[in-house]
Amino acid sequence: EAQVTQNPRYLITVTGKKLTVTCSQNMNHEYMSWYRQDPGLGLRQIYYSMNVEVTDKGDVPEGYKVSRKEKRNFPLILESPSPNQTSLYFCASSHRGLYEQYFGPGTRLTVT
Amino acid sequence: SQKIEQNSEALNIQEGKTATLTCNYTNYSPAYLQWYRQDPGRGPVFLLLIRENEKEKRKERLKVTFDTTLKQSLFHITASQPADSATYLCAFGGYQKVTFGTGTKLQVIP
Repeated sequence: EAQVTQNPRYLITVTGKKLTVTCSQNMNHEYMSWYRQDPGLGLRQIYYSMNVEVTDKGDVPEGYKVSRKEKRNFPLILESPSPNQTSLYFCASSHRGLYEQYFGPGTRLTVT
Repeated sequence: SQKIEQNSEALNIQEGKTATLTCNYTNYSPAYLQWYRQDPGRGPVFLLLIRENEKEKRKERLKVTFDTTLKQSLFHITASQPADSATYLCAFGGYQKVTFGTGTKLQVIP
């Protein structure tokens, strides 16, 4: 089954404790992206990657890091999480030239 | 900066009627617009994409229009059903930066 998976689905952590949210897709998509969704603000893009070793900032990259060492994986790293990073996070992927994005199930992160 | 606006108020509509959702954009000339459906607690699901040189696109009961003069896209669901109740998001961009609207919540009343 074609899908985007994220882990963990739920995470409660404390300020400053480094964490990684994994994202994997099995569709051989070149493009992958991370979003956060907050009430009243909608989906905002954090980082995107057009291919392996190619990443770029979205609209809200501060406090986040990403890497794309393999085509299927695109982890999101929070080096020092803060409470304002409490949010619902989505990973997405798409095939070059088709633009439609396939989204993962989401990761609900709470930073206390 | 580029901006997408969707009506943040919920849209309530009677079953069987046509629902029309609006997406306006400013400070941008997108080559295409996308529409997604999102159910509570779940990731968005792609519905339709319309390019700037297309006036209209259809898929089953869904229809999207794109007016580059008005800087507006309209999303129509004909013969609406309670199962169509969800939040609908528009977005522009696709292979680099992508900007989403905040979405419009549609409630179809039986």
